[in-house]
Amino acid sequence: GAVVSQHPSRVICKSGTSVKIECRSLDFQATTMFWYRQFPKQSLMLMATSNEGSKATYEQGVEKDKFLINHASLTLSTLTVTSAHPEDSSFYICSAQDTGGPNNEQFFGPGTRLTVL
Amino acid sequence: QKEVEQDPGPLSVPEGAIVSLNCTYSNSAFQYFMWYRQYSRKGPELLMYTYSSGNKEDGRFTAQVDKSSKYISLFIRDSQPSDSATYLCAMSVTDFGNEKLTFGTGTRLTIIP
Repeated sequence: GAVVSQHPSRVICKSGTSVKIECRSLDFQATTMFWYRQFPKQSLMLMATSNEGSKATYEQGVEKDKFLINHASLTLSTLTVTSAHPEDSSFYICSAQDTGGPNNEQFFGPGTRLTVL
Repeated sequence: QKEVEQDPGPLSVPEGAIVSLNCTYSNSAFQYFMWYRQYSRKGPELLMYTYSSGNKEDGRFTAQVDKSSKYISLFIRDSQPSDSATYLCAMSVTDFGNEKLTFGTGTRLTIIP
């Protein structure tokens, strides 16, 4: 199947700093990518839908000025957590839609574990 | 009430046993139903999807959907240690590719050799 990578896989930062997470589709082009967040023992929750060349669509309750999303190319979307705080510590996972595939399937990256001290 | 409920487990069964994993949902608008498998430190990978009530079989895996009861199941026959993972159910209203997916919490499954 199609491969999606994320970088970094794990990041620890100080409170108040910003962290950028990259999501790449390695062998297909993705006009749409999704960013999810998963707290311990909770479901994967969609944060935003990222569309190449346009503004992201954020889910209710997700601060767009805090979680900046840039989908500048068909293979790369970035999520920047600005002024991170301990409550932002979570598992962030992206998915990319393969519109060229038979099922329009979303393929998931391996996730990024963010710890804010 | 959560839109999708899934028992987080953990669930441990001996090798060769039949495993039954279940989810219930409250949103009757859901039409597409998926099961994902997630190994430790990896992203979820799609196991099966279906959009109609009834059974769908793929090898050792059978997905079952009962829309009238808002209940879905995944059965694993002849379970293997390599099946040990977290299994997540997910649902969407329209085409699951470009549509928001609503996930269950995932059930952690361990197959004991």
